[in-house]
Amino acid sequence: EEQLVESGGDLVQPGGSLRLSCTASGFTFSTYWMSWVRQAPGKGLEWVGNINQDGNGKNSADSVKGRVTISRDNAKDSLYLQMNSLRAEDTAVYYCARIAWLQLSWHFDLWGRGTLVTVSS
Amino acid sequence: DIQMTQSPSSLSASVGDTVTITCRTSQTINNYLAWYQQKPGKAPELLIYAASSLQIGVPSRFSGSGSGTDFTLTISSLQPEDFAAYFCQHSYSIPITFGQGTRLEI
Repeated sequence: EEQLVESGGDLVQPGGSLRLSCTASGFTFSTYWMSWVRQAPGKGLEWVGNINQDGNGKNSADSVKGRVTISRDNAKDSLYLQMNSLRAEDTAVYYCARIAWLQLSWHFDLWGRGTLVTVSS
Repeated sequence: DIQMTQSPSSLSASVGDTVTITCRTSQTINNYLAWYQQKPGKAPELLIYAASSLQIGVPSRFSGSGSGTDFTLTISSLQPEDFAAYFCQHSYSIPITFGQGTRLEI
């Protein structure tokens, strides 16, 4: 069964750092672009960023640019999100998602269950 | 950034009804649009991609249409398990954005 499992969410103080992990199973992780998407409590979905198959191509949202680093370890079938200088508005459930391409269009065809990050003093 | 306007924000319907949710984009995105369903406390699930292609395993009562700037998700013969939130998402350019969501309620 294809699966993504996130971990690392926690309560952290404003200005703090956190590293989220996502472990993939059931598919060839190294052949897929991957993404992080977050959802603040009771709110909609917000794209955080993408990373390509070898980790050398990345994009991120302006709201997190300069504060987050997306990386991956294909040998460990794992995706990471390093978050620094955390703010209250970063409080959200963070989802790991697999990207599927159709010609030039792409979408998220597999999602993890999410991990909760709470930024509060 | 491309703005996504999804409507309505909430919708009341009954089992057996047919409902339509609309997503309008601030500029043309060809057919680079996907639809997701999210149930409370769960991760989103892909329903439709490339505006009208049904994801494997999704019931055929779900359908998508549109191109350019106007898109619709139609759910025919609503089932109890369809009462959930629905989101559209474009992939035309970075940053990708989602619609604000439609909550489908009984």
